[in-house]
Amino acid sequence: TQLLEQSPQFLSIQEGENLTVYCNSSSVFSSLQWYRQEPGEGPVLLVTVVTGGEVKKLKRLTFQFGDARKDSSLHITAAQPGDTGLYLCAGAPGANSKLTFGKGITLSVRP
Amino acid sequence: DAGVTQSPTHLIKTRGQQVTLRCSPKSGHDTVSWYQQALGQGPQFIFQYYEEEERQRGNFPDRFSGHQYPNYSSELNVNALLLGDSALYLCASSLGALTSSYNEQFFGPGTRLTVL
Repeated sequence: TQLLEQSPQFLSIQEGENLTVYCNSSSVFSSLQWYRQEPGEGPVLLVTVVTGGEVKKLKRLTFQFGDARKDSSLHITAAQPGDTGLYLCAGAPGANSKLTFGKGITLSVRP
Repeated sequence: DAGVTQSPTHLIKTRGQQVTLRCSPKSGHDTVSWYQQALGQGPQFIFQYYEEEERQRGNFPDRFSGHQYPNYSSELNVNALLLGDSALYLCASSLGALTSSYNEQFFGPGTRLTVL
């Protein structure tokens, strides 16, 4: 069983602060995805990373895939209240393999 | 362009009953996956349907079954409901193996099932 551990579980910060959260595994993934989920809604895909060492930016969000394709980080610059939500990482060992999700990181950004 | 839709939004059942949840995939998608998300947890993969057949299955008992129709819509059936089946059930659609190598899935809003 491939497990994805996300840390920290909960994070509460002030608007304007920077933060980094992590997604770690002992297994290698062919691709890894980050989602954001708001209460009462389904997860929304933010990014997919597939190459070891890859860095992708989405406005104030920076995603990095580890060189060994076992871990990933998400850095948010100048967090906004609209960034509040549950951040999930999910990995797949191969093309169209089932996705394994982490438990998620609950982020709260206070105005 | 319609996204993934699910019905019903909420459902309350009692132990031992049976339930059917429905999903229409995003336009152009032919693969549907079902997930169970318990409170405070990430989604757990139940199974995936492609070309009207179950292609992959997670660690869920046979009480969980599904179906995919020729128009790619799908149903999730759960028999003999238990209290522990209370969760948000998510449907996700994607393109089949021959056209996608990234597993990019688009999720619906989910059906909140409460078993009393």
